[in-house]
Amino acid sequence: GEDVEQSLFLSVREGDSSVINCTYTDSSSTYLYWYKQEPGAGLQLLTYIFSNMDMKQDQRLTVLLNKKDKHLSLRIADTQTGDSAIYFCAWLRGTYKYIFGTGTRLKVLA
Amino acid sequence: NAGVTQTPKFQVLKTGQSMTLQCAQDMNHEYMSWYRQDPGMGLRLIHYSVGAGITDQGEVPNGYNVSRSTTEDFPLRLLSAAPSQTSVYFCASSYSRTGAGGYTFGSGTRLTVV
Repeated sequence: GEDVEQSLFLSVREGDSSVINCTYTDSSSTYLYWYKQEPGAGLQLLTYIFSNMDMKQDQRLTVLLNKKDKHLSLRIADTQTGDSAIYFCAWLRGTYKYIFGTGTRLKVLA
Repeated sequence: NAGVTQTPKFQVLKTGQSMTLQCAQDMNHEYMSWYRQDPGMGLRLIHYSVGAGITDQGEVPNGYNVSRSTTEDFPLRLLSAAPSQTSVYFCASSYSRTGAGGYTFGSGTRLTVV
């Protein structure tokens, strides 16, 4: 995706924490999102953060936003095999255009 | 269950053929959009609609048409299929263009053009 960088792959062991990173160039968005895509399925909204926040925690998920470095991260605690999927960061550019990252494929090893 | 329904799930077309990908939602969402997903490129916006009778182009609109005659339906038409249109197509809807709810996605249509 344009103006976004995500690493392509991440492999972790079951029970460990996963950290998925996203670097972006557009700082004008009000909301930033994380989506999960399981094989053969559409994208599912996991969580989001307002641009005036630094951190948001939602059960096993923690979102960190560093506006100065334009860096967004998603931490998954106690990663399970069911967390294996592709994870996309996304935000709203302007009025209607959502920008998606290229996606990070997370593989959880039992 | 409420959500976004896409049909068909799979389709193979010959170059030059036309077809319509169907998308319907039952959540009374005003905002609907079509994306294509290609390896290593994330999702790219094809067309979007902010309500019945209103559509606009996204970043990769060439070769595709849309219409929005009702709130529920947002079909995507391929006018003359080309191999470059081989992709996975997703329809998505939202109650708000800027709201925290984000998108609800359909399960996708995998299209192959030979």
